Amino acid sequence: DAGITQSPRHKVTETGTPVTLRCHQTENHRYMYWYRQDPGHGLRLIHYSYGVKDTDKGEVSDGYSVSRSKTEDFLLTLESATSSQTSVYFCAISRTGAEQYFGPGTRLTVT
Amino acid sequence: RKEVEQDPGPFNVPEGATVAFNCTYSNSASQSFFWYRQDCRKEPKLLMSVYSSGNEDGRFTAQLNRASQYISLLIRDSKLSDSATYLCVVKGWNAGGTSYGKLTFGQGTILTVHP
Repeated sequence: DAGITQSPRHKVTETGTPVTLRCHQTENHRYMYWYRQDPGHGLRLIHYSYGVKDTDKGEVSDGYSVSRSKTEDFLLTLESATSSQTSVYFCAISRTGAEQYFGPGTRLTVT
Repeated sequence: RKEVEQDPGPFNVPEGATVAFNCTYSNSASQSFFWYRQDCRKEPKLLMSVYSSGNEDGRFTAQLNRASQYISLLIRDSKLSDSATYLCVVKGWNAGGTSYGKLTFGQGTILTVHP
């Protein structure tokens, strides 16, 4: 399995609080991605990174920001969490930008 | 129209059966194609890439028809452990003409293999 970890694995937070999710890889892959998965919507891309300090928006980026200060870490921040951001968040990595390998996911509940 | 469409199933088959999943995609400029499997409450895992000439990996065969914008996955001799959701995934280009590995996922086809 690809060396990807996500932290925390589970989190419950209140509406309006900031939340940061971390993705860490040991594969030295160039590309990293954040997805959310919701019933009825499948997996949707939030943000992605194509190198250190190089990031871009995905299809559902509103309310989220990301940072990548080093190759191995990609952070997803919810500046002010809302109930609509309750979801399962997956990080993925890719060496070439083609096949992607996913982390174990973070279950976030916003109350 | 959704970018990637799959029959959601569920498909319920006995062990040893052959089952086929289909997927259509809307963007004719799509570059790469994959099948992932996802077990309940787990992350998606890459099952296989799909090549224009078709490809096989053990009991799994994937086919691509670019003219019809159609992808298929065939599972032979189904095992109980094949029970999962199968995701059809397409890598394409965004409206700006750039792509950094943006994958579009179908919503998945649920397979249950029973004894």
